[in-house]
Amino acid sequence: AQKITQTQPGMFVQEKEAVTLDCTYDTSDQSYGLFWYKQPSSGEMIFLIYQGSYDEQNATEGRYSLNFQKARKSANLVISASQLGDSAMYFCAMRVIYNTDKLIFGTGTRLQVFP
Amino acid sequence: DAGVIQSPRHEVTEMGQEVTLRCKPISGHDYLFWYRQTMMRGLELLIYFNNNVPIDDSGMPEDRFSAKMPNASFSTLKIQPSEPRDSAVYFCASRLTGTGGYEQYFGPGTRLTVT
Repeated sequence: AQKITQTQPGMFVQEKEAVTLDCTYDTSDQSYGLFWYKQPSSGEMIFLIYQGSYDEQNATEGRYSLNFQKARKSANLVISASQLGDSAMYFCAMRVIYNTDKLIFGTGTRLQVFP
Repeated sequence: DAGVIQSPRHEVTEMGQEVTLRCKPISGHDYLFWYRQTMMRGLELLIYFNNNVPIDDSGMPEDRFSAKMPNASFSTLKIQPSEPRDSAVYFCASRLTGTGGYEQYFGPGTRLTVT
């Protein structure tokens, strides 16, 4: 069965520092996609970044990068130069492309950025 | 461009009443998803549509829940009769076939409280 695990319930980082949020996944399928979403206190879910299982390079979107290690089944989110506005819940999710259109979400990590 | 629109943003109702949540997907998107978020169960997919046709409703918790998509720009999620355990944030999301990594774009959510 497919599963996403986020082992860090909470993380703290100082403004302007980099932070890594962990995500591991479990699937027996070869074709899948991994996503990160941000949920600020206002409640909306904001898409951040995507990594396909066949992508050879790590995905990057501005200050966000995805550290994809396929053999270890990990897809960690790296936020560089943290800003106060980065304080939010962060969810890792997976889509198994040839099975269903479902996104399976992890339990999330709450990131707090302090000055 | 307008994002996914949900209404109402907040709904408070009494147990036993009918509740209808509404969603307008991003124009041109051909997939629509309904999710529920609770502290206990996290984010879980309830049902999704492709080209207005329900594809997977295995996440719908009970017969009290029903969803329709009468056209490409409108969907409803109905709970009848509502119960206190239905209290949650309900998200609608949409995506477009063939774009990028199949990322889904979420609406702001409807916070439902059943007393």
